[in-house]
Amino acid sequence: SQQGEEDPQALSIQEGENATMNCSYKTSINNLQWYRQNSGRGLVHLILIRSNEREKHSGRLRVTLDTSKKSSSLLITASRAADTASYFCATDASGGSYIPTFGRGTSLIVHP
Amino acid sequence: DAGITQSPRHKVTETGTPVTLRCHQTENHRYMYWYRQDPGHGLRLIHYSYGVKDTDKGEVSDGYSVSRSKTEDFLLTLESATSSQTSVYFCAISRQGADTEAFFGQGTRLTVV
Repeated sequence: SQQGEEDPQALSIQEGENATMNCSYKTSINNLQWYRQNSGRGLVHLILIRSNEREKHSGRLRVTLDTSKKSSSLLITASRAADTASYFCATDASGGSYIPTFGRGTSLIVHP
Repeated sequence: DAGITQSPRHKVTETGTPVTLRCHQTENHRYMYWYRQDPGHGLRLIHYSYGVKDTDKGEVSDGYSVSRSKTEDFLLTLESATSSQTSVYFCAISRQGADTEAFFGQGTRLTVV
């Protein structure tokens, strides 16, 4: 079973708008990561946030983590058509070694 | 881009035949993973390796075996392919520990007819 679950499953917005995706997970984590997947390609790492961090920024990306609610959000500001992709959160499924466990993803479409 | 190559990129095979997918890395990363991606299921872990000859099962390991005889190569074998194993297979690598990102290959699209 997936550790993380993204919400919504699909999101359609206009260029320039902000896009927010959420990830909920079930068990305690050491860190949470977000990845992007363009159609037909492998996943690309976007950002990692540790369990003792609450917010992290990278360019137009803003990630928050609320360990008390076991949830994270990914905000993409001023979206572009090139942001059209699927976005996945990944958590470590077990203590000790890092085994990334992925959710089902959010499919984002940004209309020009 | 991280040095990770999957081969073949596309394969069509018949039910009951053995199939081996190869993942090759040039990054000397300790961890290597095999995932399959299917519509509605996201990425599911098949097997992973945490060193040469050190492997373990993931969530959907039935019908699959793996081998890692060298740091750079991680092989996934379908002993007797079934139609339910039609999928896109991704290899990923990471250095080690809880603070490491994973780098993905471009994927292998496998069709079992």
